[in-house]
Order: sequence, then structure tokens, then C-alpha cells
Amino acid sequence: KNEVEQSPQNLTAQEGEFITINCSYSVGISALHWLQQHPGGGIVSLFMLSSGKKKHGRLIATINIQEKHSSLHITASHPRDSAVYICAVRLDTGNQFYFGTGTSLTVIP
Amino acid sequence: ETGVTQTPRHLVMGMTNKKSLKCEQHLGHNAMYWYKQSAKKPLELMFVYNFKEQTENNSVPSRFSPECPNSSHLFLHLHTLQPEDSALYLCASSQDFRITDTQYFGPGTRLTVL
Repeated sequence: KNEVEQSPQNLTAQEGEFITINCSYSVGISALHWLQQHPGGGIVSLFMLSSGKKKHGRLIATINIQEKHSSLHITASHPRDSAVYICAVRLDTGNQFYFGTGTSLTVIP
Repeated sequence: ETGVTQTPRHLVMGMTNKKSLKCEQHLGHNAMYWYKQSAKKPLELMFVYNFKEQTENNSVPSRFSPECPNSSHLFLHLHTLQPEDSALYLCASSQDFRITDTQYFGPGTRLTVL
């Protein structure tokens, strides 16, 4: 079992829909990251969270440390949001990172 | 040139070959990373260098040998690889290795081992 679980694995949405991607983890962490990977491999870091909530444009990320859960929300989704979204955690016991397998999002015009 | 660059972008090699992957960052960062991304598997952190010193080596087989001659350059030397080593190899950098530092990724090298 992976230390970081994401759901759903695949998601198809109509343009304009509100999207939620979930991440649960089973280890103690110092930080959680949300990454975006476009076809071809390039990865962009979207958020780093250690508590609470962050917002950047149409993207919102939240984390509940007690429940070991984070969500990434996309408002007014657009086809250019189509990508794989990856949740990553940095352990609080050292320098190790664990990654989820990613959520593949397709937004249809 | 800006950001994190990786060369080559694609590499096909036989199991007896020796090759090297190169990563260069133009961001003035002090920490650099090698990741492996295999099909249908999560990203795996392979190596971390901070101020040219290796701080993490996550049980990576010795057929992968990293080298960090300075804070801007990172190499991954490959020898006697196996077909299961075929994957996307990603390089990243961050200002330092602090918890709050954002990592910036290169485009990756797609490696195929025949």
C-alpha cells in the first residue's frame, strides 16, 4: 500500500465544472505539495501546504493535518487544466518524499 | 536560458552501454534532485544534493551514479542498466533543502533500455 493515496485516478469534466481531487496520507509530514504534470513530462509545483488553505487564481488547496487529508479544487475548469495532478508529502522524520500515483484530469470543451 | 534544462530529452541504450544524463539549473539554487518516474508508478526520489553534497540516496542501485560538480550542474551516470530501468528521469532544483522551498522541475529525459 502506498503511503500517499489519491482519488480519483482518472477524472473527466466539462469545461466550467468545479473539480476536486483528494489526497490521503498515512505518515507524519512536515509539508504537502500539489504538482501538475502536463503531457510530455514537465512538472510544475502548484502549492506547498503545512496547514490551512491556499489559493492561486482558480486553484485552491486545503489540508487537514488531523485527518491526514488534502484536497485540490479547480473552479471554472478549462481544457488547459487537463494534466496529471500529483500529491507529494515530505516526512517529518527526515528528508524523504512520498508521491501519489496522480490523478489524470481531462476537461472537455 | 532560464529554469531547469535536461539533456538529452530522449535516450535509447543497450544494457552494456555507459551513458550520462545532464541537468543544469539557471536559478541560482543550492539543492538539486534526481527523480525516476516509471509507467503507472509514483515518482521516486533517487538522490538529493545540497550545496554539492549528497544528502539523500534512497537505496538506488549502484548502476546509477550521481555527480554534482557545482550547484548548477547535476549528472546521472548510467552503466549496465536493466530494461526495468526504462523510465522518465526528472531533475529538479530548489533554493535550499528547507521544507518551504519550492522545487522547479526540468522536462525530463525519457530513457529506454533495450
